[in-house]
Amino acid sequence: QKEVEQNSGPLSVPEGAIASLNCTYSDRGSQSFFWYRQYSGKSPELIMSIYSNGDKEDGRFTAQLNKASQYVSLLIRDSQPSDSATYLCAARYYQKVTFGTGTKLQVIP
Amino acid sequence: ETGVTQSPTHLIKTRGQQVTLRCSSQSGHNTVSWYQQALGQGPQFIFQYYREEENGRGNFPPRFSGLQFPNYSSELNVNALELDDSALYLCASSFRQGESPLHFGNGTRLTVT
Repeated sequence: QKEVEQNSGPLSVPEGAIASLNCTYSDRGSQSFFWYRQYSGKSPELIMSIYSNGDKEDGRFTAQLNKASQYVSLLIRDSQPSDSATYLCAARYYQKVTFGTGTKLQVIP
Repeated sequence: ETGVTQSPTHLIKTRGQQVTLRCSSQSGHNTVSWYQQALGQGPQFIFQYYREEENGRGNFPPRFSGLQFPNYSSELNVNALELDDSALYLCASSFRQGESPLHFGNGTRLTVT
């Protein structure tokens, strides 16, 4: 069973702090990786895509990929209450994208 | 650019009934994937359609079936509904080639009573 694993949380951080979200995946053949944000009752929204080892930055978000360790992370700088949501990590292997169960982030004002 | 649209937004059905959910893909995308998301869980892959054919399937029984049309829109059909089928059903479109991410519609909330 190909899996993507995340800590379900909740992860609580104060407003303005850095939130660090982590994810591991089991299929070494996975080719690309994604972070989605999902507000309660809504559908997932793509935040970041990362395809090669290293860091990728987009505004307040930085995704990190380490294929040797099968590890993906997402850093959110200057966290805002509006960042409070569930963050889903996903890995693509050919046509199939597998999701983790998500980490719930709470940003405390 | 038109995003992914799904209909209906909510649906209530009785156990044993059949349901059809619909999805229009984002303009320019040629692949549609369907996911089931139970409360508190991540989306689970049901299947993917490309060029009107099923192109990969997750661990779902045959009573889950689908179609893709020439305009890349798609349907998900579920027969003999069970209580455990109650979930948020998500349609996502993408490009088949390369490392394209999924772009989700707003989902259909199905409740089976």
